[in-house]
Amino acid sequence: QQQVKQSPQSLIVQKGGISIINCAYENTAFDYFPWYQQFPGKGPALLIAIRPDVSEKKEGRFTISFNKSAKQFSLHIMDSQPGDSATYFCAAFTGNQFYFGTGTSLTVIP
Amino acid sequence: NAGVTQTPKFRVLKTGQSMTLLCAQDMNHEYMYWYRQDPGMGLRLIHYSVGEGTTAKGEVPDGYNVSRLKKQNFLLGLESAAPSQTSVYFCASSALRQGAEQYFGPGTRLTVT
Repeated sequence: QQQVKQSPQSLIVQKGGISIINCAYENTAFDYFPWYQQFPGKGPALLIAIRPDVSEKKEGRFTISFNKSAKQFSLHIMDSQPGDSATYFCAAFTGNQFYFGTGTSLTVIP
Repeated sequence: NAGVTQTPKFRVLKTGQSMTLLCAQDMNHEYMYWYRQDPGMGLRLIHYSVGEGTTAKGEVPDGYNVSRLKKQNFLLGLESAAPSQTSVYFCASSALRQGAEQYFGPGTRLTVT
């Protein structure tokens, strides 16, 4: 059973557009929500993360929006660039374990 | 400072063969993890360790064993490989605090025929 549900599976965005990836969870014990970026042939790398006492976190063009009551969080990539083309994973942490979403393949068209 | 390294990078096994994947980190991290990544499944935790000499099961531990004899190393063993274990395996480490950033290795692509 997937503890963190991620959508969409794939996303195509024009250069300069906004990319939005959504995740949802049920387990209220989760207390840390990171997003990872993975390029082909590489391991995932932390992009940005948030804790549930904050509703939004922004780092450059990347923003996490967190809705604790709805148990949902999302990644927004502003002014998307071709170099952002990668697979993105959301994750949630509790009890020494990270639980990952199934990933979103983002393609940014020049 | 190499971060997290994994050996080997690629391996092909026949059904029933055994092998060990080695993960090493030079960041003095307490926590280490082994994941497998399959298309459409994301990353799934196999086993993890919260310190030298300790190991625990993750979501998909069956068919795998692990050992953490030294703080910097975390070994993943397959005693009798099966085609269902064809996957990309990632090791990760993190510091000893709640939800600390995980650093991932480059992965090992394993094919079992």
